[in-house]
Amino acid sequence: AQSVSQHNHHVILSEAASLELGCNYSYGGTVNLFWYVQYPGQHLQLLLKYFSGDPLVKGIKGFEAEFIKSKFSFNLRKPSVQWSDTAEYFCAVKYSSNTGKLIFGQGTTLQVKP
Amino acid sequence: NAGVTQTPKFQVLKTGQSMTLQCAQDMNHEYMSWYRQDPGMGLRLIHYSVGAGITDQGEVPNGYNVSRSTTEDFPLRLLSAAPSQTSVYFCASSYSGLPPTDTQYFGPGTRLTVL
Repeated sequence: AQSVSQHNHHVILSEAASLELGCNYSYGGTVNLFWYVQYPGQHLQLLLKYFSGDPLVKGIKGFEAEFIKSKFSFNLRKPSVQWSDTAEYFCAVKYSSNTGKLIFGQGTTLQVKP
Repeated sequence: NAGVTQTPKFQVLKTGQSMTLQCAQDMNHEYMSWYRQDPGMGLRLIHYSVGAGITDQGEVPNGYNVSRSTTEDFPLRLLSAAPSQTSVYFCASSYSGLPPTDTQYFGPGTRLTVL
């Protein structure tokens, strides 16, 4: 079955620490990959996405993600987190065979301590 | 542009009651969808639509109905509310279902409690 897994459910970091959130998806052919963020009390916003080309994708607010096809992974990274990055992060995948259907991971709650 | 709007923001229902969650977008997006968000489960797709007059089921469609009579509106109907439907509901839209115009824009959500 097509699925997405986020390994870290709750991450606590201090400001200026580096961040890496894991995301793996099950095999299903060509994929489009997304990371969304949900700040407290707000709705989901797109951080970045990959659909073709350079597997290293840069998004907003200093986030980036790398698509590693051989590992079915799309991990999210940020070199130095800020308190304002406290939020819930969702990885999502759209399989080409499932046009229109976006499958989300369980989400990772990031808490950044000032 | 207002983007994706949802009403109401909060709703409390009794078991067995019916109601409609409203969703509208003013971006002329063809693709619209409904998700529910539950703790530890991420977002799960309920129903989606690739254009006016066309709808299809997602991952968790039972207990919900949708219709798409216009491009702008995509209401979600709960036929007979159950406590298991207590959740936060998000509506989303995108220009199309294909890249690169398939980025989904989300509404602010409706928090529903069924007693």
